[in-house]
Amino acid sequence: GNSVTQMEGPVTLSEEAFLTINCTYTATGYPSLFWYVQYPGEGLQLLLKATKADDKGSNKGFEATYRKETTSFHLEKGSVQVSDSAVYFCALMFSGGYNKLIFGAGTRLAVHP
Amino acid sequence: DTEVTQTPKHLVMGMTNKKSLKCEQHMGHRAMYWYKQKAKKPPELMFVYSYEKLSINESVPSRFSPECPNSSLLNLHLHALQPEDSALYLCASSQDGVRRSHSPLHFGNGTRLTVT
Repeated sequence: GNSVTQMEGPVTLSEEAFLTINCTYTATGYPSLFWYVQYPGEGLQLLLKATKADDKGSNKGFEATYRKETTSFHLEKGSVQVSDSAVYFCALMFSGGYNKLIFGAGTRLAVHP
Repeated sequence: DTEVTQTPKHLVMGMTNKKSLKCEQHMGHRAMYWYKQKAKKPPELMFVYSYEKLSINESVPSRFSPECPNSSLLNLHLHALQPEDSALYLCASSQDGVRRSHSPLHFGNGTRLTVT
């Protein structure tokens, strides 16, 4: 079946530290991959996406590369800020799936000054 | 600012009440979704509408009744809910109808529902 596995949190970092949140997936066919971010008290915001192997999605200093050989889509940022504190969800959308998003469990990031 | 607007932001209702959640988007999107999110969990899909027709019902109890009056509006009618239905209810939309898949979903900020 289709599934997404994320590293468990919380991840606690100091401001300006390097961030990696691991995400791996299992899917049939050729899924699209997404990272969504949820700030406290809000809905989900699309952070970045990649639709095919070797695509790199990027936004607001965050990056993730679609790696088909390792079935991974790890989220990275070179220098985190306190304002990046949120829950990050990795998700896939598979072909013929009626745009159904399969989410990972979410990873909470806390950045301290 | 989100382009998917949900009202109300908070709702408290008794188990015998009838209430409705509303969602509106003006991006010309042709698919709309209802998700339920419990605390510290990812969102769970409830319903999908594509071109104003119900495409997916994820075996949701009949006390939840969706309605799509037009391409910009999506409602969720609630009746005889249980305390375990308390959650954040998220609406989302995507550009294409669901047979042309992989359009990213755009979410609203949700309605925080408490059933007493």
